[in-house]
Amino acid sequence: AQKITQTQPGMFVQEKEAVTLDCTYDTSDQSYGLFWYKQPSSGEMIFLIYQGSYDEQNATEGRYSLNFQKARKSANLVISASQLGDSAMYFCAIGGGIIFGKGTRLHILP
Amino acid sequence: DAGVIQSPRHEVTEMGQEVTLRCKPISGHDYLFWYRQTMMRGLELLIYFNNNVPIDDSGMPEDRFSAKMPNASFSTLKIQPSEPRDSAVYFCASSLGGSGANVLTFGAGSRLTVL
Repeated sequence: AQKITQTQPGMFVQEKEAVTLDCTYDTSDQSYGLFWYKQPSSGEMIFLIYQGSYDEQNATEGRYSLNFQKARKSANLVISASQLGDSAMYFCAIGGGIIFGKGTRLHILP
Repeated sequence: DAGVIQSPRHEVTEMGQEVTLRCKPISGHDYLFWYRQTMMRGLELLIYFNNNVPIDDSGMPEDRFSAKMPNASFSTLKIQPSEPRDSAVYFCASSLGGSGANVLTFGAGSRLTVL
């Protein structure tokens, strides 16, 4: 069985600071994918970034990067230069986006 | 493409009534997922299909819930009879491929309130 753990239920960060959202996972699969999704207050689920378990380089997408540490089974999301629009729920997921963590609510303060 | 289309967007019903939620996946996507989101339990996978065939329904809470996918462009999630604890946002999502690298595209969700 696969499992995702997000230990930060909520975070408050000052605008323009970098943010790290934690995610640890458990799986018995040798090959797997890790994903991050954003859910703003409007409710839609937005894909942010993907990391394959065999990818040697950490994934990056604009201001988003994924700090993948396979031995520690962690896949933290880093948001550089945070903006007010980054305030949202963030979900880590494993597999074909099948299993999601409980999420972290991020508040960006002006 | 119009994306994943869900209907209704909002549904308010009384306990004991039948509820049917509908989903049209993105054309060409071969995987379809149903999720339920609540504050207490987060985002739970209920069931997913591959090429219209249910692959894993272990997340379906009980026999009151059923899901079908009669063709590649349509799926339903039915609750009969509904109960107040079924109140949640139900998301449908689709993807191309299921290798573990498939990005899900979500619908806007159906917010269900059972009184």
